Amino acid sequence: AQTVTQSQPEMSVQEAETVTLSCTYDTSESDYYLFWYKQPPSRQMILVIRQEAYKQQNATENRFSVNFQKAAKSFSLKISDSQLGDAAMYFCGRGAQKLVFGQGTRLTINP
Amino acid sequence: DAGVTQSPTHLIKTRGQQVTLRCSPKSGHDTVSWYQQALGQGPQFIFQYYEEEERQRGNFPDRFSGHQFPNYSSELNVNALLLGDSALYLCASSFGWGSTNEKLFFGSGTQLSVL
Repeated sequence: AQTVTQSQPEMSVQEAETVTLSCTYDTSESDYYLFWYKQPPSRQMILVIRQEAYKQQNATENRFSVNFQKAAKSFSLKISDSQLGDAAMYFCGRGAQKLVFGQGTRLTINP
Repeated sequence: DAGVTQSPTHLIKTRGQQVTLRCSPKSGHDTVSWYQQALGQGPQFIFQYYEEEERQRGNFPDRFSGHQFPNYSSELNVNALLLGDSALYLCASSFGWGSTNEKLFFGSGTQLSVL
């Protein structure tokens, strides 16, 4: 089975500090996408960042960046200068149009 | 520009009943996918529609069926409801089936409770 694993059910961080969310995955494909989605209480899944597996350079979107280790099949998300609005469930996953998600990490921001 | 819209937002049904959930894709999108998100879990892929045909299907029984209309909107039907069908049902849209470069946009889901 091609699975995605998020080993941290919950994380918390002080406002303005940095936090890293972990994710590992399994795949037999050579070309694929990896991504992080955020799900706030509104329930809508919002794309945070996406990485193409064939690109060696780590993707960055403003305060969000990833550490993509292809050989280790690891794809962690770093949030810098955490803000109260970052509080949400974060889902790691892989795929293109058919997405496979991990079980999520609940991120709490402490003021 | 309207995003992905789903209706209804909440629904309560009893075991054995049938339910229909609706989704309108983001403007300009022609591909619709459906996901089931059980409480405390990540979303799971149910199926995907493009050009009014089911193109991909996840590991869900035949009780789950769908339809896509010429205007690209879609319905998800679930027959013979079970307690385990209680979940948040998310619709996602994108442009062009088979394209790996297109990003998915999600709606806010329909919360289905089966009593």
